[in-house]
Amino acid sequence: DQQVKQNSPSLSVQEGRISILNCDYTNSMFDYFLWYKKYPAEGPTFLISISSIKDKNEDGRFTVFLNKSAKHLSLHIVPSQPGDSAVYFCAARAIYAGNNRKLIWGLGTSLAVNP
Amino acid sequence: DTAVSQTPKYLVTQMGNDKSIKCEQNLGHDTMYWYKQDSKKFLKIMFSYNNKELIINETVPNRFSPKSPDKAHLNLHINSLELGDSAVYFCASSHGRGNTEAFFGQGTRLTVV
Repeated sequence: DQQVKQNSPSLSVQEGRISILNCDYTNSMFDYFLWYKKYPAEGPTFLISISSIKDKNEDGRFTVFLNKSAKHLSLHIVPSQPGDSAVYFCAARAIYAGNNRKLIWGLGTSLAVNP
Repeated sequence: DTAVSQTPKYLVTQMGNDKSIKCEQNLGHDTMYWYKQDSKKFLKIMFSYNNKELIINETVPNRFSPKSPDKAHLNLHINSLELGDSAVYFCASSHGRGNTEAFFGQGTRLTVV
């Protein structure tokens, strides 16, 4: 039962255009959302995050939007660059017993930015 | 100066063997994790230690035993390896138990034959 879903396994975008990566979740108790970027043969790298009390967070070319009513978040990359080509993972933080927290991950979207 | 380093990067071994994967972080973080990414690309947490204390222990076969000798190290020992254990194992660390903005190692690709 996937609580975090990235329904597009891949996305192809022209350099300079906007890349929009989407993520849906089912658990309304998630309190924090993160995007990670992963290159082949490397571990994921933290990119940007957003608290559940916000609806937007921006960091340079990267902006994350959160729509809590729709249980949907998206990552916008503007302008897209060839170096952005990677797999992007959406993750959501769940709090459970003992005030511990763990991340629930989506399957990732492979972004290809074409020159 | 690698922040989170795990060894080996590749591991090919036969069924039934026992193997260990080592992980070290030099970031001064107090929380470390082991994740498994299976063939379907699911990235799932296995264990988490905070200040050498086990705080997350997901439904993982007890053939998998993590060991944290100190805050900077979290090793993963696997007994009686099975074909289904083949996956990429990632070590990660973060500051605090919040499990956010974790730094990941490069992964260990384990192949059981």
